[in-house]
Amino acid sequence: DADVTQTPRNRITKTGKRIMLECSQTKGHDRMYWYRQDPGLGLRLIYYSFDVKDINKGEISDGYSVSRQAQAKFSLSLESAIPNQTALYFCATSDYQTGGKETQYFGPGTRLLVL
Amino acid sequence: AQSVAQPEDQVNVAEGNPLTVKCTYSVSGNPYLFWYVQYPNRGLQFLLKYITGDNLVKGSYGFEAEFNKSQTSFHLKKPSALVSDSALYFCAVRDLYSGAGSYQLTFGKGTKLSVIP
Repeated sequence: DADVTQTPRNRITKTGKRIMLECSQTKGHDRMYWYRQDPGLGLRLIYYSFDVKDINKGEISDGYSVSRQAQAKFSLSLESAIPNQTALYFCATSDYQTGGKETQYFGPGTRLLVL
Repeated sequence: AQSVAQPEDQVNVAEGNPLTVKCTYSVSGNPYLFWYVQYPNRGLQFLLKYITGDNLVKGSYGFEAEFNKSQTSFHLKKPSALVSDSALYFCAVRDLYSGAGSYQLTFGKGTKLSVIP
């Protein structure tokens, strides 16, 4: 979905390096999410944010941190990358709807390789 | 806790034949169910969702899904498969009664669909 962009699209880094993945959206959504995808495991939630001042840990937040710089920007950092963080990372957004009816819309993904 | 199972890692179907990609779920309350498709080197694209009402939900690209509460299933279907439908398909569920996590989506592991010419 071109309304949700992620940079970089591909990244190779070394163990111990700090890296940042960025996500921007033009959909005007309040809610943003970071997931990682591993083969055979589906998508797992890392962090989510309901607005600029609201950030929450997801299922697998250890080793990651996030920053919500603005409504449209949500970045994911790996403070000290390790090889098992090699994965495909997705950013997603959603617009609040009562009763949980909202749909999440995904960016194109960032493929990260940690050597 | 909410969970989703996609019992088939891969589904092969001949072009022109009907296709089904299976999904079963487990929730404490009422589910909201979603299907997404991932084409190679692309992000996830939303196909359809079940919120309430008619058990047969129609979505993008000619796909539809049938909600079956008694069997806790939400299978994705298409009457006539195209080669271009070959992709990875994910089912996801949101349980409205999971307390603080009620907004979270839980995804299945994905099913790779291959449509053979």
